[in-house]
Parts: sequence; structure tokens; C-alpha cells
Amino acid sequence: TQLLEQSPQFLSIQEGENLTVYCNSSSVFSSLQWYRQEPGEGPVLLVTVVTGGEVKKLKRLTFQFGDARKDSSLHITAAQPGDTGLYLCAASGSARQLTFGSGTQLTVLP
Amino acid sequence: ETGVTQTPRHLVMGMTNKKSLKCEQHLGHNAMYWYKQSAKKPLELMFVYSLEERVENNSVPSRFSPECPNSSHLFLHLHTLQPEDSALYLCASSQDRLWGLNNEQFFGPGTRLTVL
Repeated sequence: TQLLEQSPQFLSIQEGENLTVYCNSSSVFSSLQWYRQEPGEGPVLLVTVVTGGEVKKLKRLTFQFGDARKDSSLHITAAQPGDTGLYLCAASGSARQLTFGSGTQLTVLP
Repeated sequence: ETGVTQTPRHLVMGMTNKKSLKCEQHLGHNAMYWYKQSAKKPLELMFVYSLEERVENNSVPSRFSPECPNSSHLFLHLHTLQPEDSALYLCASSQDRLWGLNNEQFFGPGTRLTVL
């Protein structure tokens, strides 16, 4: 079973602060996705990374895939209340099945 | 309607009831999925359908019975559930079931199920 560990589990910060959340595994993945889930909604895809060391930016969000394709990070600059939500990483490896982490619940206070 | 829709959004049922969850995708996708999301646990993949054929069944108890009558509709029939089955049940669809860069899964809003 391929496990994805996300940290921290909960994060509460003030508007304007920066933050980083992590997604780690002992398995190598062919690609990794980050989703955001807001209350009462399903997860929405933010980004897919496929190459070791790859960095992708989406406005104030920066995603990085580890060189060994076992881990990833999501950095948010100048967080806003609208960034509040559950951030999920998901990856697929040899099982050809999407495995999700348990998520980081982010709260950005105004 | 656009995207993936699910009904009902909330469901409360007793352990002896029989109910069904409905999912509809308006994206022309060929693969559909049922996931279970419990508090503090990762999303658990339950079933995968590709072109109306069940291709994955992750050791889900038989009290959950999926049905895919066509590529746009997916049902999850529930009977004699247990309180620990209370969770958010999410439906998703994708162009096909092959994992890859351009094969994003689109999720519905989920059905919040409570079993008394």
C-alpha cells in the first residue's frame, strides 16, 4: 500500500503570512497532484507535477516535486482568507490507482 | 447543469433502510469513481467504472452495491449499513481511467451520509 503523509494536519495563520505544507512518502510516484477542498464541496485539482525537481506556480501558490519523486511541497505566499480549505495531495505509482493523503486543514484568519 | 452533480446532498438513514446515492457527470467522460471520505482519514477509493464496466472494487463490504447504467450516471445502493459507514461519499469522473498528466478527476460535491 502506498501511503502519503501530509503535514501539518492543521494550520491556522493570519492573513498575509506565508506557509508551507508537505506531502511525503517512501514510495516513488509517476506523478503527484494537489487538490483543494472547501466545505460542502468536492476536491478541485490545483496542479499536477510529473518530473522530479519540477516547480510550478499558480499565482501565490508554488508547488514542488521532490527530486526523487517521493515528496512534494506547497508554499503559499501572503495567504488570504480565500485560501482556507483542506489541501490534499494525491499520487499514483505502480498500482495505477490514485492514493490520497489525509490532508492539511488550512485556516487563514482575516 | 455542468460538471459532476450528486443527490441527495444529505442523507440520514437507519441501519435497516435501503437508499441510493446518485451521481451524474455532464463532461462526456468515460470513467467514474466512488470515494468515501471520513474524518481524519484519507479519501478511500471504493469503486471504479470504465465505459460502464466495473474495473476496481477495493474490498468494499457487500452492503454497498454500485450500478453504472451508462457512462453519465453512477449509483451507489446502500442497505443494512452500520454507523461507522457515516461519511461523505464523493463521486468523480475522468476522461478515462488511465492515470496521467492530462487525466484530471473532477469531483462532485458529495453526499453527507449519517447512519443511525
